[in-house]
Amino acid sequence: AQTVTQSQPEMSVQEAETVTLSCTYDTSENNYYLFWYKQPPSRQMILVIRQEAYKQQNATENRFSVNFQKAAKSFSLKISDSQLGDTAMYFCAFMNNFNKFYFGSGTKLNVKP
Amino acid sequence: DVKVTQSSRYLVKRTGEKVFLECVQDMDHENMFWYRQDPGLGLRLIYFSYDVKMKEKGDIPEGYSVSREKKERFSLILESASTNQTSMYLCASSLLGANTEAFFGQGTRLTVV
Repeated sequence: AQTVTQSQPEMSVQEAETVTLSCTYDTSENNYYLFWYKQPPSRQMILVIRQEAYKQQNATENRFSVNFQKAAKSFSLKISDSQLGDTAMYFCAFMNNFNKFYFGSGTKLNVKP
Repeated sequence: DVKVTQSSRYLVKRTGEKVFLECVQDMDHENMFWYRQDPGLGLRLIYFSYDVKMKEKGDIPEGYSVSREKKERFSLILESASTNQTSMYLCASSLLGANTEAFFGQGTRLTVV
């Protein structure tokens, strides 16, 4: 079974600063996909960034980037130049070879003005 | 635009009632999911369907059943609602295969009284 662990229930960051959200996972599969999803107060889940496990290069998407350490089974999300609109719950997710998605418990990020 | 639509945003039901949560996607996706979201627990998979009339139990299927008679529609059924099923329910869909992501509905907040 796959498990996804987010050890930071809540974090705060000042506007324009950088914050890193942590995620670890456990799997015996060699090829898989990892995701970060954002859930703002509207409740609509939005994909932030995706990483394919067989790609060594870390994914980036504008102000969002990941630090993927396959051997350590770690997948952290870095948000640069934080904006008020980044305030949301962030979920780390793992997709296995059978297309099942497993999610962590979430990190509530609060961006302060 | 990709769309996953859940029939209700808020629902209040009485203990013992049979409850139907409906989800429709317009993307011709093979996979559909039902998750339950609780604070501190993240998203937990209830049921997964990879084709019409096909289903697999997730991590917490007890007290729930599902129906997928058409590709675009995936229903979650609470046979006899209980107060411990008060929660946020999220439906998602995805394409079959590796290069995919989960698309979510807006969620149904169910309260069982």
